Amino acid sequence: AQSVTQLGSHVSVSEGALVLLRCNYSSSVPPYLFWYVQYPNQGLQLLLKYTTGATLVKGINGFEAEFKKSETSFHLTKPSAHMSDAAEYFCAVGGDTGRRALTFGSGTRLQVQP
Amino acid sequence: GAVVSQHPSWVICKSGTSVKIECRSLDFQATTMFWYRQFPKQSLMLMATSNEGSKATYEQGVEKDKFLINHASLTLSTLTVTSAHPEDSSFYICSASQGALTEAFFGQGTRLTVV
Repeated sequence: AQSVTQLGSHVSVSEGALVLLRCNYSSSVPPYLFWYVQYPNQGLQLLLKYTTGATLVKGINGFEAEFKKSETSFHLTKPSAHMSDAAEYFCAVGGDTGRRALTFGSGTRLQVQP
Repeated sequence: GAVVSQHPSWVICKSGTSVKIECRSLDFQATTMFWYRQFPKQSLMLMATSNEGSKATYEQGVEKDKFLINHASLTLSTLTVTSAHPEDSSFYICSASQGALTEAFFGQGTRLTVV
């Protein structure tokens, strides 16, 4: 079985500040990890994903995430927040044998203050 | 990346009627499609997994007779909410996979409101 925990349902940062959204996972098999962004009344857009290989993954819009197996974490970061980054962010895990869908975390709403 | 299109984007229907939502993979063949449901301010919950040409696999607690899923071709899956009630009002999102889990792409979602 797989699960995802996103710490902090709401995160508020100032424009230009560091963004850090936390994600911890549980998986009995090597995980595939994803971060998605969702704008109001829209579907999900993939920011980045980790499958195998390099543990530091770079995505779109300046986001990156690092897979840390020892900490079972996949935190999302961006050095400098922009107003357009305000949205809901979901961490997801997949790769569980026999269950090919993704398991999502509860989401983190990012607010960016001017 | 690959494109998945959902239609309609939003729909309002009367209680007791049925509503069909389409999920299309526009530029690839989707052997597997997934249907998720998202309540306001909550995460996505998997409803069912749909494989082309076979019956859908429903998650525990999802009524298969109420949420009919058809995946008749490699580019189209449909979700029909039968005898809809206000509690079925939600945001429904599909995703499509080419086969490997790493290739799942999401549609833009359908906002269903039952009045």
